[in-house]
Amino acid sequence: DSGVTQTPKHLITATGQRVTLRCSPRSGDLSVYWYQQSLDQGLQFLIQYYNGEERAKGNILERFSAQQFPDLHSELNLSSLELGDSALYFCASSPASGGSRETQYFGPGTRLLVL
Amino acid sequence: AQSVTQLDSQVPVFEEAPVELRCNYSSSVSVYLFWYVQYPNQGLQLLLKYLSGSTLVKGINGFEAEFNKSQTSFHLRKPSVHISDTAEYFCAVSDQRGSYIPTFGRGTSLIVHP
Repeated sequence: DSGVTQTPKHLITATGQRVTLRCSPRSGDLSVYWYQQSLDQGLQFLIQYYNGEERAKGNILERFSAQQFPDLHSELNLSSLELGDSALYFCASSPASGGSRETQYFGPGTRLLVL
Repeated sequence: AQSVTQLDSQVPVFEEAPVELRCNYSSSVSVYLFWYVQYPNQGLQLLLKYLSGSTLVKGINGFEAEFNKSQTSFHLRKPSVHISDTAEYFCAVSDQRGSYIPTFGRGTSLIVHP
């Protein structure tokens, strides 16, 4: 158990809908990262937040957005969903400082199916 | 920018046989290197990492990897695999400066047969 929690585990929705994925980082970790894993694209970095502020952006679509709240949990919002958004979405966290800040700890993921 | 190539998409092997999963990377700066394992229906778990120092790195579950700077490789090895090692293995590289956001390879599926 990495200490990173994600809800829900599974999500089935229809095209055009909007969903919110939630992530709680490990205790004490200030950085949260979101990834999308699909068969054709592999594991793609979407976005990073650090202590409530957006720190880095990867291949995140404009239909997707994220935020990190004062209690450090994060939410990834996916809107106007398309069939191609079906994927596993992972959250990871890392410490703010110290010897392990280069290491990310992954949650179990949310499997999204868009029908 | 970095890139990672995992040379084999699938590696079948018999139980108790040795295995090597290959990973090559490219980067214009110094990097950290990682191997993660993903068991079916689970998230990624860190197996081992190379930050600096000894080029032979030992990880969990009997795995080890060797950093070869001249060949820009970081191959993962285990002398004797178990059925329970069946999983997807991901090599990743991150910049030593900056955001530490890793770039992942496409993964290698290790299939251990009895």
